[in-house]
Amino acid sequence: DVKVTQSSRYLVKRTGEKVFLECVQDMDHENMFWYRQDPGLGLRLIYFSYDVKMKEKGDIPEGYSVSREKKERFSLILESASTNQTSMYLCASSWGQGFEAFFGQGTRLTVV
Amino acid sequence: QKEVEQNSGPLSVPEGAIASLNCTYSDRGSQSFFWYRQYSGKSPELIMSIYSNGDKEDGRFTAQLNKASQYVSLLIRDSQPSDSATYLCAVRGASNYQLIWGAGTKLIIKP
Repeated sequence: DVKVTQSSRYLVKRTGEKVFLECVQDMDHENMFWYRQDPGLGLRLIYFSYDVKMKEKGDIPEGYSVSREKKERFSLILESASTNQTSMYLCASSWGQGFEAFFGQGTRLTVV
Repeated sequence: QKEVEQNSGPLSVPEGAIASLNCTYSDRGSQSFFWYRQYSGKSPELIMSIYSNGDKEDGRFTAQLNKASQYVSLLIRDSQPSDSATYLCAVRGASNYQLIWGAGTKLIIKP
């Protein structure tokens, strides 16, 4: 089975902190994604990566950056956390673009 | 802007009945379609994929695709309380090949 693991299930951070969310997949998938999910807004793509060291902006990249130094690991960075970044963050991976995505368990981030 | 539309619900269905969930999409060239189930507080999990017009059955689940009318549906037979969840429709875009997500339909199965 595909396994996508996010480093934390719950996080509480203070406004202005730098926050790192880590994601690891064990199926040698080419593509990895970071989404946030908010009530009534559905899944919104923040960034995705189709190869090591490659990244593409999604629909809402402002306030975020990403890093993919190894194929299996994709990190989301909040440079200076703000309260409007309180959300559920979901990492996903897939064999290729547009193939079915497999999700990690999610990280519920609260910024206070 | 390519879109995927779902009725947000909640859709309430008695236990044992058929639940019917619908999804329409705007990108006529889309070729791949997926249904995900998401329990409250959990992450989405893939339950069905469909690529050709017609029906695809897997246990109690049937996905139906009609490319001419640009809709895809999910039928759940013999609905169980454990089917209560939000169901997300995802469509592979024809131009950039990314998955485009609907906002989901909340399904409630009443015992």
